[in-house]
Amino acid sequence: EPEVTQTPSHQVTQMGQEVILRCVPISNHLYFYWYRQILGQKVEFLVSFYNNEISEKSEIFDDQFSVERPDGSNFTLKIRSTKLEDSAMYFCASRGRQGSRDEQYFGPGTRLTVT
Amino acid sequence: QQQVKQSPQSLIVQKGGISIINCAYENTAFDYFPWYQQFPGKGPALLIAIRPDVSEKKEGRFTISFNKSAKQFSLHIMDSQPGDSATYFCAAVDTGRRALTFGSGTRLQVQP
Repeated sequence: EPEVTQTPSHQVTQMGQEVILRCVPISNHLYFYWYRQILGQKVEFLVSFYNNEISEKSEIFDDQFSVERPDGSNFTLKIRSTKLEDSAMYFCASRGRQGSRDEQYFGPGTRLTVT
Repeated sequence: QQQVKQSPQSLIVQKGGISIINCAYENTAFDYFPWYQQFPGKGPALLIAIRPDVSEKKEGRFTISFNKSAKQFSLHIMDSQPGDSATYFCAAVDTGRRALTFGSGTRLQVQP
């Protein structure tokens, strides 16, 4: 069964450093998302991406964040200058073709720890 | 208005019992309501979903009940098993955004 994969599973970085979180969505999906989950809290939407551009972003997704689909398979989230409060689980999700049902499938997540 | 309110925060059920988790929303533009199951250290996994044109959907031991007029929906887990112990999130998607708005989660513990 196709699945969303994410790397690394755990990333530790120092405050102020740049990090790139990587995702490989399900191969025939067209819509891509990043969500985050601070420990013990609910999952929060960050950004959605379709047709090589951001289709929507939340207030959390400020100028420190960027997304990119550098090739036909990868989808990345970059945090330019990490802050302590960026420590969270980051989940990538993907959704099917246009006109398909709304199911979003999540990857296993990357735990980001900012020290 | 984008919020989805979920209760209870935690739930303990005996094996074989019925687990019931409730969610409520305000945004009438929501048109798709999935439930996700999350085990510790894992990503949310889609469990079951419903659209507002039906009042109930059943898949195996899992049933969603939907009350459009009250803007409420609930997940029922029949014959709950210890393997069902996880955190459950309700969510909603509106016609414009398509991003998921999650509830705050319910930690379910099924005691053997």
